Amino acid sequence: KQEVTQIPAALSVPEGENLVLNCSFTDSAIYNLQWFRQDPGKGLTSLLLIQSSQREQTSGRLNASLDKSSGRSTLYIAASQPGDSATYLCAPRFKNQGGKLIFGQGTELSVKP
Amino acid sequence: ETGVTQTPRHLVMGMTNKKSLKCEQHLGHNAMYWYKQSAKKPLELMFVYNFKEQTENNSVPSRFSPECPNSSHLFLHLHTLQPEDSALYLCASSHITLGGGGYTEAFFGQGTRLTVV
Repeated sequence: KQEVTQIPAALSVPEGENLVLNCSFTDSAIYNLQWFRQDPGKGLTSLLLIQSSQREQTSGRLNASLDKSSGRSTLYIAASQPGDSATYLCAPRFKNQGGKLIFGQGTELSVKP
Repeated sequence: ETGVTQTPRHLVMGMTNKKSLKCEQHLGHNAMYWYKQSAKKPLELMFVYNFKEQTENNSVPSRFSPECPNSSHLFLHLHTLQPEDSALYLCASSHITLGGGGYTEAFFGQGTRLTVV
């Protein structure tokens, strides 16, 4: 059974810090991997999609990297702001699971002013 | 606005009621999904529809009954639910590329917060 693990489970940082969220997965055979953010009680907002053939993707202050062979992805957030406070979820699409998005527990981020 | 709309946003129902959740996507996608999110647990995939056909039922109890009348709409019919079914129910869509060689970005709706009393 493919699993997804996100570390740390929770993170609290002062405003302005650069930070890294980690995602590991047990099967390197993936179509792609997507990062989402979720505000309390709300749906998921897509942040970045990184294809299996790519090494990284960037959107504004966000940068996601993918090391498929080692089953790892990282989300780098530069110059964090209080508005970045949310839960961040990674979801690989495993080929052996018909391309379903499988989610980790997420990293709950709090950025203090 | 993500292009995926869920209604209602909130629903309170008794254990003997019958209700339905609705999801509509305006993105031209050919795959739709129902997920359940309970407190402090990862999102759990419930059902998958590809090209309007159900391709996945993740051991979901029969009191949850999905319906996909066309590629833009997805329903989740609920009957005789239990209090432990209270959760946030999320709908998502994406597109399967030609030959099943890949998937595009998935988009989620805002969810329906269901409370069973």
